[in-house]
Amino acid sequence: KAGVTQTPRYLIKTRGQQVTLSCSPISGHRSVSWYQQTPGQGLQFLFEYFSETQRNKGNFPGRFSGRQFSNSRSEMNVSTLELGDSALYLCASSLVGGSGEAFFGQGTRLTVV
Amino acid sequence: GIQVEQSPPDLILQEGANSTLRCNFSDSVNNLQWFHQNPWGQLINLFYIPSGTKQNGRLSATTVATERYSLLYISSSQTTDSGVYFCAVAGNTPLVFGKGTRLSVIA
Repeated sequence: KAGVTQTPRYLIKTRGQQVTLSCSPISGHRSVSWYQQTPGQGLQFLFEYFSETQRNKGNFPGRFSGRQFSNSRSEMNVSTLELGDSALYLCASSLVGGSGEAFFGQGTRLTVV
Repeated sequence: GIQVEQSPPDLILQEGANSTLRCNFSDSVNNLQWFHQNPWGQLINLFYIPSGTKQNGRLSATTVATERYSLLYISSSQTTDSGVYFCAVAGNTPLVFGKGTRLSVIA
């Protein structure tokens, strides 16, 4: 069974640009969550999608957005990039979210210069 | 929201030694997971253990939900055990992570 796939693995962008990251969950999983990991703030929850609906949202500015498609694949978008957006972005896949066991992808390492 | 505290923050061991990592959480949970973050950043699932005890090889974990803590035991540590160990919990919320324990195993 294939695991969680995130693309791209690495990305370098310039301040002010926008970026789109992709996550394909484990087959049959309907919940996809996104996390940002930085050395200073640790792992912080961005948002969760379940059956194409945003179910939970973390405390991030509106520049961070996401969506989920009918095949459960999810994308997150960051507009008007800032230096502080440099981070490892991790996607988690779960059957039901919340109480269900979560499995993570390899992450996308974003560097903003 | 739920608070998660992990201890110790850093741990240095000689190869072959045993260790215990602790995770305290502030509210009742439906999900508790232990992860090992590899050098490339991926979170590797170790245990899904909202309550009870589980063992997998040299690793075992115990969660005492009524007292709101979980313990991860690593026996006969190897250099490949080095890395950061995270505890994450969920109530009626998405997973909340602790700050992790950085383990260094020295040959």
